[in-house]
Parts: sequence; C-alpha cells; structure tokens
Amino acid sequence: DSGVTQTPKHLITATGQRVTLRCSPRSGDLSVYWYQQSLDQGLQFLIQYYNGEERAKGNILERFSAQQFPDLHSELNLSSLELGDSALYFCASSGQGYEQYFGPGTRLTVT
Amino acid sequence: AQSVTQPDIHITVSEGASLELRCNYSYGATPYLFWYVQSPGQGLQLLLKYFSGDTLVQGIKGFEAEFKRSQSSFNLRKPSVHWSDAAEYFCAVGALTGGGNKLTFGTGTQLKVEL
Repeated sequence: DSGVTQTPKHLITATGQRVTLRCSPRSGDLSVYWYQQSLDQGLQFLIQYYNGEERAKGNILERFSAQQFPDLHSELNLSSLELGDSALYFCASSGQGYEQYFGPGTRLTVT
Repeated sequence: AQSVTQPDIHITVSEGASLELRCNYSYGATPYLFWYVQSPGQGLQLLLKYFSGDTLVQGIKGFEAEFKRSQSSFNLRKPSVHWSDAAEYFCAVGALTGGGNKLTFGTGTQLKVEL
C-alpha cells in the first residue's frame, strides 16, 4: 500500500458525459501527479500540482482539467467523454524526494 | 525531450533462473531513473531508483539495477526469479522542468515465470 488513495475504483459512463476522479496523496506529500494508462498510448503524464499550483503539464486534452485543494487532495475532471478516453487513470504523489508513489488507479470505461 | 525504450515486450523465464530486463533512455542532463512493477489490476509499485552516486542500486524484492551512462542504460536484474515476480515492469526517466517533475515511461516488459 503506497498511501495514495483514489476513488472510485471503477467508473462506467456514456459518451458526452463528465466525470470527476479523486485522489488523496500520501500524508505530507505536497505534489500530486495524474497519469493515463491505455493500451495504445501506454503510460502518459497528464499534469502535476504542487501545494495547489500547477507545476507541469503533459499531453492533457483541453476537455480534461485538474485542481489541487487546500487539504492537498486533487481532482481530475474529464468532460465530453469519448470512447477513446477509456483508460486507467493513476494519481501519484511525492514529497521531498523525486520518486513518485502511485495509487491503485481508477478504471474508466466510456460506452 | 526525454524517452525510454524497453526493447523486450515479453520475457519468459523459469522459476529460479536469473533475469535481466533492458532499459535505454534518452535525456539531455543527468537522469533520474526508476523501475516500477505493475501486477494485474494493480497500481505501480516503485522497485528502485537512481539519482546519483553508486551506479549499482538495490531495490525491494531482491531486484537491482545498474546505471551505465556510456550506454544510456538502466537494466534491471534479479539473480533468482520467483513465480510471484510475474508482472509488468516499467522503466521511467524523471525530468525536472520549470519547477515540475514528470516521469516518462517505457512501454513495459511483461514477465512470465514458468514453474
């Protein structure tokens, strides 16, 4: 158990809908990262937040957005969902070191 | 831009045999390198990391990796594989840019262990 929690574990929704994925980092970690894992794209970095501020951005679609709240939990919002958005979405956190600790993931299925 | 290549998509070894998983990276500066393992339906578990110093690093579960700058490689090894090691293994390079820290992953190597 990495100490990073993600909810929900599974999410099934229809095309065009909007969903919110939630992540709680390890106790004391200020950085939160979001990654997408799909069969065709592999593991891709989406975005990083540090203590509430966006720090780095990867290949995140404009339909996707994220934020980190004062209690350091983070949410990833996915809107206008398409079939191709079906994937595993991982949250990770890090503290003083550079290593990132991953949560169990949220499996999103868009039908 | 950084990149990671894991040339072996699938590897099968017998239980008790030694293991080496290959990883090559491309990065302009001194890399931060990691190996993660993912069991089916699970998240990624950090096996080991290299930041600087000794080029042979030890990790959890009896794994080790050697950083070779001249070959841009960071291969993962284990002297004797156990059936429970069957999983997917990912090599990653960390990039520090503009205050941010992102990981770029390879495509993974699926390890099968024959009993």
